[in-house]
Amino acid sequence: SQQGEEDPQALSIQEGENATMNCSYKTSINNLQWYRQNSGRGLVHLILIRSNEREKHSGRLRVTLDTSKKSSSLLITASRAADTASYFCATDAVQAGTALIFGKGTTLSVSS
Amino acid sequence: DAGVIQSPRHEVTEMGQEVTLRCKPISGHNSLFWYRQTMMRGLELLIYFNNNVPIDDSGMPEDRFSAKMPNASFSTLKIQPSEPRDSAVYFCASGYSNQPQHFGDGTRLSIL
Repeated sequence: SQQGEEDPQALSIQEGENATMNCSYKTSINNLQWYRQNSGRGLVHLILIRSNEREKHSGRLRVTLDTSKKSSSLLITASRAADTASYFCATDAVQAGTALIFGKGTTLSVSS
Repeated sequence: DAGVIQSPRHEVTEMGQEVTLRCKPISGHNSLFWYRQTMMRGLELLIYFNNNVPIDDSGMPEDRFSAKMPNASFSTLKIQPSEPRDSAVYFCASGYSNQPQHFGDGTRLSIL
């Protein structure tokens, strides 16, 4: 069953704008991860946030986690055309051990 | 670091034929995952191994699917007999327990 659900499904912005993607999940987690997938390629890990963390930064990426609402957001600041990709959240439910469950992703298009 | 290597990159075959997908994980990683990605269902976990032992194969759709990991550096996913609905992109990923996963670039499988 789907654990993570991203919102929106698709997002189109101009270069320089910020992009915000949201993820909701259903069960208690150990951590939540965000991945990026370029067309025709495998997923690439972006950032991991643990269940006891509320916010994390990595370069132009900012991730927040609200375990009370079972939700997370990924913010990409000052977007570039190269950020065009699909973005997925993935959770490892406490019961699931090392297995990750992925959402269906948000497709981001950044036009120059 | 060569990354996760999958072969073949593309496979086109007729229904009823046996299909074997191959994966070489990153050296030292103790977990290996097989996923299937389709537009309709997104990214689905099929099976994962820890230290070469299958831990959870509940995602394997049918008995036609089987996976093996004879050693730490090689895994196969086999479909026999194949059906058109098996058409998808199959990803292999590896990692350390509870750490981010590293994905290969996938095998695009088309069953005619």
